[in-house]
Amino acid sequence: NAGVTQTPKFQVLKTGQSMTLQCAQDMNHEYMSWYRQDPGMGLRLIHYSVGAGITDQGEVPNGYNVSRSTTEDFPLRLLSAAPSQTSVYFCASSRDGSGSYEQYFGPGTRLTVT
Amino acid sequence: AQSVTQPDIHITVSEGASLELRCNYSYGATPYLFWYVQSPGQGLQLLLKYFSGDTLVQGIKGFEAEFKRSQSSFNLRKPSVHWSDAAEYFCAVVVDYKLSFGAGTTVTVRA
Repeated sequence: NAGVTQTPKFQVLKTGQSMTLQCAQDMNHEYMSWYRQDPGMGLRLIHYSVGAGITDQGEVPNGYNVSRSTTEDFPLRLLSAAPSQTSVYFCASSRDGSGSYEQYFGPGTRLTVT
Repeated sequence: AQSVTQPDIHITVSEGASLELRCNYSYGATPYLFWYVQSPGQGLQLLLKYFSGDTLVQGIKGFEAEFKRSQSSFNLRKPSVHWSDAAEYFCAVVVDYKLSFGAGTTVTVRA
């Protein structure tokens, strides 16, 4: 049982490039989410999903896309990277579709956009 | 709008001393409240949670938190801090399927 896994751990992009951050969980959790962490701002919700085929926006969705074709995977796509997207990104999952139970976090992806 | 406020950005405490981290939330109904801890370079780990019932909740690593509806607070406490408790602590609340975090409190433990 690997829990929540994220790849890559580190990534450097040039402005305008696109990429996908991968997130997978093997706990059969319904709820998955993406956060970004910036100094002094805590974690902010980017997008979340309450089940396969269902996604919704969080607090800071602009510049990011998600999809949830399977229960296990929840990739985050950066369409055209900007320096403002330099951050640490965390994926999380929770057993219940409400998100009201404990969320299990992945180890994070540190992204730098130059 | 910020749903969770952690008034203290940084706290320094001596090893063996008690610790209290403050958290205030803004939400009309009884919220689902959480405290998470993040060690340097790591992901987040749940310390404890409050959904309903007993307002004093026990968590892992000797932490406890008390829900006070009248003060809209959910403060985290530990009677005796260990050097390994140096980390960043986040209070969070679930509102409408979304987990909202406070800005965090960094705890430094001095010998």
